[in-house]
Amino acid sequence: ELKVEQNPLFLSMQEGKNYTIYCNYSTTSDRLYWYRQDPGKSLESLFVLLSNGAVKQEGRLMASLDTKARLSTLHITAAVHDLSATYFCAVGGANAGNMLTFGGGTRLMVKP
Amino acid sequence: DAGVIQSPRHEVTEMGQEVTLRCKPISGHNSLFWYRQTMMRGLELLIYFNNNVPIDDSGMPEDRFSAKMPNASFSTLKIQPSEPRDSAVYFCASTQGGALYNEQFFGPGTRLTVL
Repeated sequence: ELKVEQNPLFLSMQEGKNYTIYCNYSTTSDRLYWYRQDPGKSLESLFVLLSNGAVKQEGRLMASLDTKARLSTLHITAAVHDLSATYFCAVGGANAGNMLTFGGGTRLMVKP
Repeated sequence: DAGVIQSPRHEVTEMGQEVTLRCKPISGHNSLFWYRQTMMRGLELLIYFNNNVPIDDSGMPEDRFSAKMPNASFSTLKIQPSEPRDSAVYFCASTQGGALYNEQFFGPGTRLTVL
């Protein structure tokens, strides 16, 4: 059974600081996704990572994938208040068809 | 494209009543997912359809829950009878199955409150 763990579960940081969210998964996968969810809203796709060593960047967010370590990171550079949200990683299992297994989410609060 | 459409957006009902949630996936997507999100349990996959056929319903909590997908553009999730513990946000998502990657696109959700 594929398990996906994120840490930290909650992160409070000051504007301008850097931090990293980690996503570990338990079995082989070649597909990893990051989503953002604002309070009271739906999930919005941020990044799609499909191969070992893949790196995607959008603004102050950068995601990377290490399939050998079964680890993805979401790095936040010089955080701003607008990045406050909950971030989920989701992993596609090797034999899971189109299903994704989601991590528990990381709630990020960026303080002015 | 309008994205995944869900209705109603909010539903308040009393315990014991039947509730029907509706979803229209993105045109051309052939996989559809129903999720439930609560503070306590996070995001849970309830059921997954591929080409209108239920593939995995192991997440459906109990017999009170049922889901159908009569055609490629419509799905329903029914709860009968509803209970207060069913209160949650229910999301529908779709993806283009068979594509190189299977990014799921989420609808706005239905916030269900069972009194």
